[in-house]
Amino acid sequence: DTGVSQDPRHKITKRGQNVTFRCDPISEHNRLYWYRQTLGQGPEFLTYFQNEAQLEKSRLLSDRFSAERPKGSFSTLEIQRTEQGDSAMYLCASRYGERERDEQYFGPGTRLTVT
Amino acid sequence: DAKTTQPPSMDCAEGRAANLPCNHSTISGNEYVYWYRQIHSQGPQYIIHGLKNNETNEMASLIITEDRKSSTLILPHATLRDTAVYYCIVLSYGQNFVFGPGTRLSVLP
Repeated sequence: DTGVSQDPRHKITKRGQNVTFRCDPISEHNRLYWYRQTLGQGPEFLTYFQNEAQLEKSRLLSDRFSAERPKGSFSTLEIQRTEQGDSAMYLCASRYGERERDEQYFGPGTRLTVT
Repeated sequence: DAKTTQPPSMDCAEGRAANLPCNHSTISGNEYVYWYRQIHSQGPQYIIHGLKNNETNEMASLIITEDRKSSTLILPHATLRDTAVYYCIVLSYGQNFVFGPGTRLSVLP
């Protein structure tokens, strides 16, 4: 257990539905990252926050995806009008962020299946 | 694209040392080498990282060549629980992690 938690761990939804995932980072970490991972591939960066500010978004993050970190603590990732191609593991990571050598700590992930 | 090249898979006998290579021939002076692993259906787990010098912690050792163009992660006494995908990542401060496909290590009884 790294101290980063994600909820839910598994989500099955029908195409066209909206889903929201939550990530609770390690409390003193001010940077929070979202990744997506499909079968057989490494995680792909989606977006990251420094405190409550969303500083970077990957081009993988289509208009149907939105992420928030309203108080600089937990974060949510929402996918609207889900498509079968959205089926993947969604990973959250946090990092202290103030020192050059700080590593990221990953949560267990939320596995999304779109039917 | 990932800046590293790793073999897609390796086997290791239980109790023996596992040596996982990584090539990063285009690494620049301020880029660190990080190693993570991912056990099936879990999030990636940090193992170790280094800049120039060899590093050791309770999990593994990291050997970086003098020209920094390659490195080796060493698990000194592999156990069945070390079976995982191992990712080698190169980045500098402010960059985001770019994961390649990694090396799938199978520890055999």
